Amino acid sequence: DAGVIQSPRHEVTEMGQEVTLRCKPISGHDYLFWYRQTMMRGLELLIYFNNNVPIDDSGMPEDRFSAKMPNASFSTLKIQPSEPRDSAVYFCASSYPKGDTLNTEAFFGQGTRLTVV
Amino acid sequence: KQEVTQIPAALSVPEGENLVLNCSFTDSAIYNLQWFRQDPGKGLTSLLLIQSSQREQTSGRLNASLDKSSGRSTLYIAASQPGDSATYLCAKNAGNKLTFGGGTRVLVKP
Repeated sequence: DAGVIQSPRHEVTEMGQEVTLRCKPISGHDYLFWYRQTMMRGLELLIYFNNNVPIDDSGMPEDRFSAKMPNASFSTLKIQPSEPRDSAVYFCASSYPKGDTLNTEAFFGQGTRLTVV
Repeated sequence: KQEVTQIPAALSVPEGENLVLNCSFTDSAIYNLQWFRQDPGKGLTSLLLIQSSQREQTSGRLNASLDKSSGRSTLYIAASQPGDSATYLCAKNAGNKLTFGGGTRVLVKP
């Protein structure tokens, strides 16, 4: 398997524009996670899905952020409108159960570096 | 209070020295603890996962221990090499989602 695939790798956009980040999880993984990494706050969980259903979106910072998972092989994270403070690296990760359904090992994509100017 | 803490934030050692990286966490009700490596501008690579029932896990020069009662995990890297230079992050899994420490940035000098 090619691992978790994210696109684009880099995105530069102007404030106010809509940004869509994409993720293809590892085939067979039941869980998909979106994380954001900044120097100030480190890695933070934004939202995660189980079997395409959003389970916990308490980390989504504002209504400007939304995420979807229309099928088991694709997810999007959308920011509309984007602001300079959204500049960060956004990671997608997927995982599968190890025995206990909560005992999961996570695998990360290469990330999307977003710059909002 | 930080749920997961990694101290020190940065570490520099000469090549060949053993590395000891510390991770402390609150709430001992974890399912597993995972150690990752992150190179600059790259994603996270999973190094080791220790399940809550285990006390340690080994892979090559890497050994990770877990003490749930004290809320600590330690990653040992034997005979460090310049290629080990990276940021190392630990993350606790207390129910599917991972909570990360701030990471330890390691520099191994030739």
